[in-house]
Amino acid sequence: DAGVIQSPRHEVTEMGQEVTLRCKPISGHDYLFWYRQTMMRGLELLIYFNNNVPIDDSGMPEDRFSAKMPNASFSTLKIQPSEPRDSAVYFCASSLKQSTGELFFGEGSRLTVL
Amino acid sequence: AQKVTQAQTEISVVEKEDVTLDCVYETRDTTYYLFWYKQPPSGELVFLIRRNSFDEQNEISGRYSWNFQKSTSSFNFTITASQVVDSAVYFCALSEARSGANNLFFGTGTRLTVIP
Repeated sequence: DAGVIQSPRHEVTEMGQEVTLRCKPISGHDYLFWYRQTMMRGLELLIYFNNNVPIDDSGMPEDRFSAKMPNASFSTLKIQPSEPRDSAVYFCASSLKQSTGELFFGEGSRLTVL
Repeated sequence: AQKVTQAQTEISVVEKEDVTLDCVYETRDTTYYLFWYKQPPSGELVFLIRRNSFDEQNEISGRYSWNFQKSTSSFNFTITASQVVDSAVYFCALSEARSGANNLFFGTGTRLTVIP
């Protein structure tokens, strides 16, 4: 079975550009999570969805960040405009409702903003 | 507020040695869940184990074992007879029932290097 699929795996962009990260969760999973990993702050939960509805977006850094989940099989995380401090690895994860905390992670999207 | 402390930033051991990774947590919730995840060099995080706050039984899975002690708020992870393939960053995590059991708060991780 396919796991969580993220794209792109690597992105290098210049400050001020728009960045869109994509995620396809595991089919049948009710929850989708976006995490950010940096050396300074570790793993931070940005936002998570339940049945395509955003439940908690308190971890989203600022208005430059937005996330959508138009259907059960696709989610995007957008940064506009991007800044060098946004450089990080962004992970998408999904889980079944009853699999409390057993998240299945994608391989991550490494973003570098110059 | 919840907090997870992994005081060991990096550990190096020689293959076949046993190693214990420490995890100390803080929470005000009486119902909570503790986890360990592994992040190998390939990058993705892999779920290893979940314990709920009402189950203090230690667990063994092959070379892996976990020691949950509520009295000391610790959830330590031991690898017996370590192997090179165990080299990874290991994260301890906590979630609280009242803030969402799927809402994990991760520690800063411990990088384990197993030397052949």
